[in-house]
Amino acid sequence: GENVGLHLPTLSVQEGDNSIINCAYSNSASDYFIWYKQESGKGPQFIIDIRSNMDKRQGQRVTVLLNKTVKHLSLQIAATQPGDSAVYFCAENDMRFGAGTRLTVKP
Amino acid sequence: EAGVAQSPRYKIIEKRQSVAFWCNPISGHATLYWYQQILGQGPKLLIQFQNNGVVDDSQLPKDRFSAERLKGVDSTLKIQPAKLEDSAVYLCASSGPGIRMNTEAFFGQGTRLTVV
Repeated sequence: GENVGLHLPTLSVQEGDNSIINCAYSNSASDYFIWYKQESGKGPQFIIDIRSNMDKRQGQRVTVLLNKTVKHLSLQIAATQPGDSAVYFCAENDMRFGAGTRLTVKP
Repeated sequence: EAGVAQSPRYKIIEKRQSVAFWCNPISGHATLYWYQQILGQGPKLLIQFQNNGVVDDSQLPKDRFSAERLKGVDSTLKIQPAKLEDSAVYLCASSGPGIRMNTEAFFGQGTRLTVV
């Protein structure tokens, strides 16, 4: 597998604001991408996924955007809540993870 | 639906000792993964099984790590002998049902290994 990396290691937002977490990938053949959330002391938890035939997918308060031209993935969290504080990872088909972004939500 | 079960939850051993971790995936999931997560880093894929066959073990340090999934269900990961740098959380994940491509994996809580 090739590198799946994240632009920012930490992100701090105010409660109620929107959060955007970014991820760059290098394998242009990847056709499936997943976002995971990991809280302290727990295993990663699936948030949302997207296939390469889509450029946007929405879930409950979360949206994933895929830009295949620049090999970039982003996770948008609307109205961020304290419970969203965690480390967020993206992964590709081969289930290899990047370093993650730590999201901290300030009350 | 029961999740991925791992045991033990915590383990402390001395360097050069051996240790084994156990994983029971979600029923019906053909694909099983083992990851090593060092504090402050993302999970590193060690090995991927599909049923009882190895799909990817390119990042498994084979001089000291071994894993098996003999009946295509439960799996064990062994370290022999352990080194200080093996201190990490070992995560097991599974995906399915059956052999499904491009589907999310479900993770267990992990085993926290401390090598002293």
